[in-house]
Amino acid sequence: TQLLEQSPQFLSIQEGENLTVYCNSSSVFSSLQWYRQEPGEGPVLLVTVVTGGEVKKLKRLTFQFGDARKDSSLHITAAQPGDTGLYLCAGPRTGNTGKLIFGQGTTLQVKP
Amino acid sequence: DTEVTQTPKHLVMGMTNKKSLKCEQHMGHRAMYWYKQKAKKPPELMFVYSYEKLSINESVPSRFSPECPNSSLLNLHLHALQPEDSALYLCASSLDSYQFFGPGTRLTVL
Repeated sequence: TQLLEQSPQFLSIQEGENLTVYCNSSSVFSSLQWYRQEPGEGPVLLVTVVTGGEVKKLKRLTFQFGDARKDSSLHITAAQPGDTGLYLCAGPRTGNTGKLIFGQGTTLQVKP
Repeated sequence: DTEVTQTPKHLVMGMTNKKSLKCEQHMGHRAMYWYKQKAKKPPELMFVYSYEKLSINESVPSRFSPECPNSSLLNLHLHALQPEDSALYLCASSLDSYQFFGPGTRLTVL
């Protein structure tokens, strides 16, 4: 069974701090996606990582895909209150079923 | 047009009501999805439509009835819901394995 373990589940930090969210699995994924969701809204796709060892940057957000394509991380530099939200990692289930496997999510609160 | 739209944004219904949720996309995606999401939890898959045919039903109770009238539209018909069905209902569409979500409908069942 493919699973994605996301940690931490909750994070409350002050504005300006750095943080890292981890998404780990014992299974290989063809790709992993990261979403951010604000309260009452749908998840917004931030990035997709496809190649093992890949690093992608989106302003203050840095995403890494592990060399073996079993894990990914999201690092936020100098967090701002606008970064507050639920962060979800997700990957396609093997077999082209159309299903996405989600991590448990990380609820991030950045206090001013 | 690069977005998934959903209506209504909010819905309050009694347990005897019949209502429908609507979803629309014009990105040419041939797979569309319904998810249910509780607060601070990941979305839970309910239904998948592929090329306008129901391909996956995740053992969802029959009080939820999906419909795909054409490749751009997806409906979710609701009847005799329970208070525990209160949640955010998300629609998504996909190109390959990359799914794009709508803003959701916040459903409250009284």
